[in-house]
Amino acid sequence: AQTVTQSQPEMSVQEAETVTLSCTYDTSENNYYLFWYKQPPSRQMILVIRQEAYKQQNATENRFSVNFQKAAKSFSLKISDSQLGDTAMYFCAFMGISSGGSYIPTFGRGTSLIVHP
Amino acid sequence: DSGVTQTPKHLITATGQRVTLRCSPRSGDLSVYWYQQSLDQGLQFLIQYYNGEERAKGNILERFSAQQFPDLHSELNLSSLELGDSALYFCASSPSFDIQYFGAGTRLSVL
Repeated sequence: AQTVTQSQPEMSVQEAETVTLSCTYDTSENNYYLFWYKQPPSRQMILVIRQEAYKQQNATENRFSVNFQKAAKSFSLKISDSQLGDTAMYFCAFMGISSGGSYIPTFGRGTSLIVHP
Repeated sequence: DSGVTQTPKHLITATGQRVTLRCSPRSGDLSVYWYQQSLDQGLQFLIQYYNGEERAKGNILERFSAQQFPDLHSELNLSSLELGDSALYFCASSPSFDIQYFGAGTRLSVL
């Protein structure tokens, strides 16, 4: 079974600064997808960024970028120019194929990020 | 707004009871996922349906069941409820097999 580990339960950052959230995963598969989801106090889960394992290039979405290290099974999220609205729980997620041929999602336990003014 | 609708938003019930949670996916999405989010367990994948058929199972208890109807809406049935079933239940829909769009969740409180 795949596992996703987020080793930082809580982090904080000053507004306008940069912060990096860590995620490692364990899998024997070669093709899979990785995601970061954001869950603000409203509890809505929002997709932040997506990475396909077969792509070498790191995904970027505006102020959000990832550092995908396939050999190390590491998938960190960098938030640049942090804003107060970035305060949320961030979940790293892995999507890999099960023995039945379907993609099974596995989520990490989350990192609570607080952005201070 | 993700386009995924979950009802009800809140549900309060007693131990031993049975409840049904409903999910309407985004227009055109054939795949529906159900998750349970509790404080001590994080976000746990329960089950996935694709175009009416069960496609994948996660950590779903035997007391729980789900189905997806011809109009693609899905229902999660929780029976013989226990205090530990209190959680936030999410539904997500997907146009493919990777990106998921989450509903706002149903908060279940079992008293």
